[in-house]
Amino acid sequence: AQKITQTQPGMFVQEKEAVTLDCTYDTSDQSYGLFWYKQPSSGEMIFLIYQGSYDEQNATEGRYSLNFQKARKSANLVISASQLGDSAMYFCAMREGKGAGKSTFGDGTTLTVKP
Amino acid sequence: ETGVTQTPRHLVMGMTNKKSLKCEQHLGHNAMYWYKQSAKKPLELMFVYNFKEQTENNSVPSRFSPECPNSSHLFLHLHTLQPEDSALYLCASSQELGLGSPLHFGNGTRLTVT
Repeated sequence: AQKITQTQPGMFVQEKEAVTLDCTYDTSDQSYGLFWYKQPSSGEMIFLIYQGSYDEQNATEGRYSLNFQKARKSANLVISASQLGDSAMYFCAMREGKGAGKSTFGDGTTLTVKP
Repeated sequence: ETGVTQTPRHLVMGMTNKKSLKCEQHLGHNAMYWYKQSAKKPLELMFVYNFKEQTENNSVPSRFSPECPNSSHLFLHLHTLQPEDSALYLCASSQELGLGSPLHFGNGTRLTVT
């Protein structure tokens, strides 16, 4: 079974609107970390936001927030006030406690922001 | 220069060639990684180094040979590659191997094997 599932291959959002990118994960570890990365067409993967499995509050970083629902094993990324520069591929990733540094990535979601 | 730097940005090589990819990080991190990104496939972890010691080889064919002389530099030596090895090769670093340590990536090397 896939450890990270991103069910939306492509998403469109109007500039200045909010958008939610879905991510569900599968692990038997109690300790794990969840990450979101952005990959523009230039290729570089950029770290956006992190959520630890024991964190009770949802993580926020500027316009990015992570909607963490542990019981549902979901870690959706919410981007508020979308900008044209947000158009990119977005990857959800997980590090498990027993993984010794290994990060597992989802297939990614391509976000296009329309003017 | 800051961040993670990879060279070359683009590489075209024949199946009998030998080439090397270079990665350098200026972040003072202890762990370094090689990832392969192919079209229509999720990122595949290839190798992990921690304090310049290899801690993970994700069943990578021997035609890929990593080298980590110190915590700041990582190489990927390539020889007798196959066309299916054409991909974007991403180097990353992290402060440590712990759960909360995000990866910092370079721009990648776009490799084409002819």
